[in-house]
Amino acid sequence: SQKIEQNSEALNIQEGKTATLTCNYTNYSPAYLQWYRQDPGRGPVFLLLIRENEKEKRKERLKVTFDTTLKQSLFHITASQPADSATYLCAPFTSGTYKYIFGTGTRLKVLA
Amino acid sequence: SQTIHQWPATLVQPVGSPLSLECTVEGTSNPNLYWYRQAAGRGLQLLFYSVGIGQISSEVPQNLSASRPQDRQFILSSKKLLLSDSGFYLCAASLAGRYNEQFFGPGTRLTVL
Repeated sequence: SQKIEQNSEALNIQEGKTATLTCNYTNYSPAYLQWYRQDPGRGPVFLLLIRENEKEKRKERLKVTFDTTLKQSLFHITASQPADSATYLCAPFTSGTYKYIFGTGTRLKVLA
Repeated sequence: SQTIHQWPATLVQPVGSPLSLECTVEGTSNPNLYWYRQAAGRGLQLLFYSVGIGQISSEVPQNLSASRPQDRQFILSSKKLLLSDSGFYLCAASLAGRYNEQFFGPGTRLTVL
């Protein structure tokens, strides 16, 4: 069955450093992958979408890579700030589907 | 952009009681609509999705059901709640078509006692 894995352990980093979060998937070949941010008690908020033919996508301090050979996406936040502290979810999905399947998320804490 | 309304924000219900959660969408027509449940400290579990009025796809066998009586209204129901139905219920919408970002509502925190 399709499986999406994100680091279940919380990631603590120092302010100003680059945070790198991992999303691995198995048993399917997504053509698209989205990243969302979720704050406690709130619904997720869309951040970025990357297509399989795009190796890298950037938006301000955010960068996403998509390696279809490794079946992995990396999500980077450069010059991290305490306000970046949240849970980050990935959602890879295949062509022809309306379904969004989310990873369990990685909780990021940026320490001042 | 789309705005998703959900109510109530919190709900405490006894085991065996019925449930009705409503979600309405503003700012777009013919959206794709979704219901998710999130247990404490866990990921999002897709429960139902709909690509049109009266069209419901169920992802997980359970005692819940969904209906879409109007284009921008999505309802989650149960005839008899179980303890395991407790969780954070989120409604989401995306533009018609595929691969579009999802907009989420504020959620309903349901506690079944």
